[in-house]
Amino acid sequence: GENVEQHPSTLSVQEGDSAVIKCTYSDSASNYFPWYKQELGKRPQLIIDIRSNVGEKKDQRIAVTLNKTAKHFSLHITETQPEDSAVYFCAANTDKLIFGTGTRLQVFP
Amino acid sequence: GAVVSQHPSWVICKSGTSVKIECRSLDFQATTMFWYRQFPKQSLMLMATSNEGSKATYEQGVEKDKFLINHASLTLSTLTVTSAHPEDSSFYICSASQGAGLGGYTFGSGTRLTVV
Repeated sequence: GENVEQHPSTLSVQEGDSAVIKCTYSDSASNYFPWYKQELGKRPQLIIDIRSNVGEKKDQRIAVTLNKTAKHFSLHITETQPEDSAVYFCAANTDKLIFGTGTRLQVFP
Repeated sequence: GAVVSQHPSWVICKSGTSVKIECRSLDFQATTMFWYRQFPKQSLMLMATSNEGSKATYEQGVEKDKFLINHASLTLSTLTVTSAHPEDSSFYICSASQGAGLGGYTFGSGTRLTVV
């Protein structure tokens, strides 16, 4: 079955800096790659997603890139703000959604 | 947008009892629902996939007789934790899809289960 690895597990950045989180997946049939932000005790919140027929997608300060050949995808957050502090999960989808291990992002003022 | 209502939001039960968690899709028909479990500081681990009108498909290592899933209609799926033990204490969350493989998942708000 699908296996999704995510790095780093923790990431600390200064406000205004960029943050990059990387994921790899194992199943070449995966066709949809969402990224979620989760606050403690809450449901995951979709922040951006990308489908397998697209290599890059951007939404304001957030961008995602996908390399199907290498089976990895990355989340890029620019101009980070303290409110970006949360746990971020990548996921990969075939007929079910499998989550990465998560990254705790801390943005220091 | 699509909404999935999950109840209860939290529950405390005694060891050995059973607890039922419900997920309803409010404004769309969910042909497929997924149940996840999340322990503190860990990721969401898929427990099972349920399709309306058929038996659930459980992930490896998940006991189907302990975690009973019913998806009797296109808008309701239930997870029953039977004979609960303290190690079952976790955050359970459902997700609905309008069609597996199409992407686009809507999550319930989660249920914090504490077994004492």
